[in-house]
Amino acid sequence: NAGVMQNPRHLVRRRGQEARLRCSPMKGHSHVYWYRQLPEEGLKFMVYLQKENIIDESGMPKERFSAEFPKEGPSILRIQQVVRGDSAAYFCASSPSWMAGNTIYFGEGSWLTVV
Amino acid sequence: GDSVTQMEGPVTLSEEAFLTINCTYTATGYPSLFWYVQYPGEGLQLLLKATKADDKGSNKGFEATYRKETTSFHLEKGSVQVSDSAVYFCALYGNKLVFGAGTILRVKS
Repeated sequence: NAGVMQNPRHLVRRRGQEARLRCSPMKGHSHVYWYRQLPEEGLKFMVYLQKENIIDESGMPKERFSAEFPKEGPSILRIQQVVRGDSAAYFCASSPSWMAGNTIYFGEGSWLTVV
Repeated sequence: GDSVTQMEGPVTLSEEAFLTINCTYTATGYPSLFWYVQYPGEGLQLLLKATKADDKGSNKGFEATYRKETTSFHLEKGSVQVSDSAVYFCALYGNKLVFGAGTILRVKS
């Protein structure tokens, strides 16, 4: 049973380009979460999605960032017009439902470097 | 909103020393509590969890007890190894997973 799969693992973008990070949840999981870890910092919640719905995007920057989780295919975190401050590790996690007490499983992360 | 506060690191210990990493939380309702571990260059791995008051989570020699009266979930291990060197994150799950800032643990041989 494959875990949460993220790709690419490492991505380098020039300032002004777009970055797309993909996340395939564990089999049977319909809830996806995105977190950002800036260098030397903890993990900050960005967005919580279910299939075709954004449930909580309170941690998403107001501009340039968007996320989706379509009916078919992986969840995508999209960063437009990247800046150096976007350089971070982006972690995706999934769970089978919203119930507290369910374990949330993390992917290995996507490391974005903006040059 | 919900929040988690961890002791600041880095924590540096000699092999076989006793480890405590403090974690306290603020939350409405009755969250589930977790400890995650992150090794260098890797993602997060669930270390242990507790879903209700007085529950004790344990794994690989690590333990933490859900203390509702003190809103705490301190991580302990009786004898650390060099291989335990990592960043440890305390987290709670109410309607989303909220993390503490993480505590770096360095174990010297």
